[in-house]
Amino acid sequence: NAGVTQTPKFQVLKTGQSMTLQCAQDMNHEYMSWYRQDPGMGLRLIHYSVGAGITDQGEVPNGYNVSRSTTEDFPLRLLSAAPSQTSVYFCASSYRGGRGLGTDTQYFGPGTRLTVL
Amino acid sequence: AQSVTQLDSQVPVFEEAPVELRCNYSSSVSVYLFWYVQYPNQGLQLLLKYLSGSTLVKGINGFEAEFNKSQTSFHLRKPSVHISDTAEYFCAVSSGGSYIPTFGRGTSLIVHP
Repeated sequence: NAGVTQTPKFQVLKTGQSMTLQCAQDMNHEYMSWYRQDPGMGLRLIHYSVGAGITDQGEVPNGYNVSRSTTEDFPLRLLSAAPSQTSVYFCASSYRGGRGLGTDTQYFGPGTRLTVL
Repeated sequence: AQSVTQLDSQVPVFEEAPVELRCNYSSSVSVYLFWYVQYPNQGLQLLLKYLSGSTLVKGINGFEAEFNKSQTSFHLRKPSVHISDTAEYFCAVSSGGSYIPTFGRGTSLIVHP
């Protein structure tokens, strides 16, 4: 069981370039999400998905696109990179909680450290 | 709506001393509560969680937390910390109808020798 995997681990882009951060999970989790982590800002939700074909925006979605064609994969696309997108990006997956409550434990990937020059 | 407040951004402590990291939440419905730990240059991992039952929850590495519904708190404690506990700690809440938990801004625990 690999859990949640992310590639690449590090990436340097120039302003205006586009790229895709990959995320995959092998736990058959319904929910997947993307966060960015910046010093002093905690984790901020970019986009999330509650199942294949279903995505929604989080707190900071501008400049990012997502799609979810399979349960396992949830790539994050940067359309035109900007220095403000320099950050550490985490993908996470989780399953629905019991008793109609929210989501249970989040499983995080190791992160992608992105620098935009 | 749900929200989480971690009252301390940084907590310095000496090795073998006790520590408490504070977390308050707001939600109008029943909740799940979590503490995650992030070691330097790593992703987050679950430390402990409260889903139901006993309000005192024990986690990995000797940590425990107590769910206090009347005070809407879920403070994390350890009776004796080690240098290796130096990390960022995040409190999170998930309530009915929410697909994604809400995270606090994190507390940096710094353990000095």
